[in-house]
Amino acid sequence: DTEVTQTPKHLVMGMTNKKSLKCEQHMGHRAMYWYKQKAKKPPELMFVYSYEKLSINESVPSRFSPECPNSSLLNLHLHALQPEDSALYLCASSQDPSGSRTSTDTQYFGPGTRLTVL
Amino acid sequence: KNQVEQSPQSLIILEGKNCTLQCNYTVSPFSNLRWYKQDTGRGPVSLTIMTFSENTKSNGRYTATLDADTKQSSLHITASQLSDSASYICVVTYTGGFKTIFGAGTRLFVKA
Repeated sequence: DTEVTQTPKHLVMGMTNKKSLKCEQHMGHRAMYWYKQKAKKPPELMFVYSYEKLSINESVPSRFSPECPNSSLLNLHLHALQPEDSALYLCASSQDPSGSRTSTDTQYFGPGTRLTVL
Repeated sequence: KNQVEQSPQSLIILEGKNCTLQCNYTVSPFSNLRWYKQDTGRGPVSLTIMTFSENTKSNGRYTATLDADTKQSSLHITASQLSDSASYICVVTYTGGFKTIFGAGTRLFVKA
């Protein structure tokens, strides 16, 4: 199984709503990532979990709250979002987060969740 | 400053033709370079990955090259198909961390 799954595929929410995005992988990967992608732009890294611990938070606003319940699951909790937060949210996972010079670690991406904030 | 620059920004070719996309980077210390294909509204799909010691890697009709001395990479697509229409993104990873730098991508349009 070389697939990263994300649910839901589409989400429309108001600025006062609370919602969650879910990501799952069963490849035994130890690093998981959340990215935000605006139209015609490359993905922007938001969070990285390594061995179920938050390793990187790219100064993301607190209205985005990540959670890693176990090594296969990654959630992104959303609260009080703004219309400018509308984007494609991508989850990725990789096996070897060591980043050594000979690393061939590849990030496998999920299909994304298209989020619209009204 | 760590940067990844891709060219051209967009490209239109006829079905069956070959094309080459370019990626120049100034990321240091280098760990690996990956090429991804991304269809609109979908997650990126990995095509190739190369470390500093590799200078070419093929995946079907896709062939990537890497010159670690000049910090340049290219992705060559042979006998293009309509389904090759997508964005192609060059991604460079830092040694020792999770940090990656994404290029802005090349938008490829293959016409019949």
